[in-house]
Amino acid sequence: DQQVKQNSPSLSVQEGRISILNCDYTNSMFDYFLWYKKYPAEGPTFLISISSIKDKNEDGRFTVFLNKSAKHLSLHIVPSQPGDSAVYFCAASPGSGGYQKVTFGIGTKLQVIP
Amino acid sequence: DVKVTQSSRYLVKRTGEKVFLECVQDMDHENMFWYRQDPGLGLRLIYFSYDVKMKEKGDIPEGYSVSREKKERFSLILESASTNQTSMYLCASSLLGLGDGNTIYFGEGSWLTVV
Repeated sequence: DQQVKQNSPSLSVQEGRISILNCDYTNSMFDYFLWYKKYPAEGPTFLISISSIKDKNEDGRFTVFLNKSAKHLSLHIVPSQPGDSAVYFCAASPGSGGYQKVTFGIGTKLQVIP
Repeated sequence: DVKVTQSSRYLVKRTGEKVFLECVQDMDHENMFWYRQDPGLGLRLIYFSYDVKMKEKGDIPEGYSVSREKKERFSLILESASTNQTSMYLCASSLLGLGDGNTIYFGEGSWLTVV
């Protein structure tokens, strides 16, 4: 049973346009969410996170939006660049204190076309 | 800079062999994790540890064991490797609490092929 769902396995976007990656979750106990980026043959690197007390968090070209009532979050990349081409993983955790198991989605492969 | 180092990037092992994957972190993190990544399945947690000599099963612990004798080192052991354990293995670490800038840091990954 997938608790974190990334329903789009792949996405292609033109350079300079907006990329929107979506993520849905089913566990209402999740209240801390993260996005990771992964290039082939490398480990994932942290991009941005959001706590459930917020509905938006921004870091440069990356913005994460959280809709708790819909159990949905999205990552916006504006403007998209060819170097953004990678697999993006959504992750969720039931709280931020102590050890909290982090559950990952299956990833969305983003291709930014020059 | 945070550093999680996995000792072997690429390994080829035979079915039935005992395999050790080693991971070291230099951030004095309490938590350490082993994940495996497979196409279409994302990152799945095998085991984690929140302290020396402590371990907890993740989602797919069958066929694996772990060892954490020192805070900085977390080893994944495949007692008898099988072909369905061919995968990319990722070690990670974090401070006890996520948030406030704390997150999970991953190593570069170890590609294991079992033949």
